[in-house]
Amino acid sequence: DSGVTQTPKHLITATGQRVTLRCSPRSGDLSVYWYQQSLDQGLQFLIQYYNGEERAKGNILERFSAQQFPDLHSELNLSSLELGDSALYFCASSVVGSSTEAFFGQGTRLTVV
Amino acid sequence: DQQVKQNSPSLSVQEGRISILNCDYTNSMFDYFLWYKKYPAEGPTFLISISSIKDKNEDGRFTVFLNKSAKHLSLHIVPSQPGDSAVYFCAASYTGTASKLTFGTGTRLQVTL
Repeated sequence: DSGVTQTPKHLITATGQRVTLRCSPRSGDLSVYWYQQSLDQGLQFLIQYYNGEERAKGNILERFSAQQFPDLHSELNLSSLELGDSALYFCASSVVGSSTEAFFGQGTRLTVV
Repeated sequence: DQQVKQNSPSLSVQEGRISILNCDYTNSMFDYFLWYKKYPAEGPTFLISISSIKDKNEDGRFTVFLNKSAKHLSLHIVPSQPGDSAVYFCAASYTGTASKLTFGTGTRLQVTL
């Protein structure tokens, strides 16, 4: 158990809909990262928050947004969903924003039908 | 542009033998490298890391070697065990960039009896 909790584990929704994925980081970790893993692909970095502030952005679509709340949990919002958004979405957390290992949650498998 | 490459999608090794997983990178600014192991339906688990100021880091059966001039790193597992069967991801980051990880596409290791 990495200490990072993601909910829900599975999500099936229709095209055009909007979903929210939730992540609770490890106790004490200030940084939260979101990654997307499509079929047979590596993990693609989406966005990072550090202590409530956006710190870095990857190839995140404009239809996607995220935030980190005062209690440090984070939410990833995906809207106007398309079939190609079907993927595993991982949240990770680390103690600080500098180079260090990040600890991953079990992921949310999103299926868009 | 794939900045971290794992050119072998799969590898099969007999139990007790050495497993060598390779990773190449193109971005010379990367200064911290990590290996993650991933089982099906689980998030990636941190395995071992190495800073660019070192060329070797060892942790039990796992050793990571870094060749900066060749922009190449490798993970050695000795001896390989059936429980090592998983997908292994190489990842890299560099300080000053909020430490987002850039992942390779992974190598599936199968340790056979």
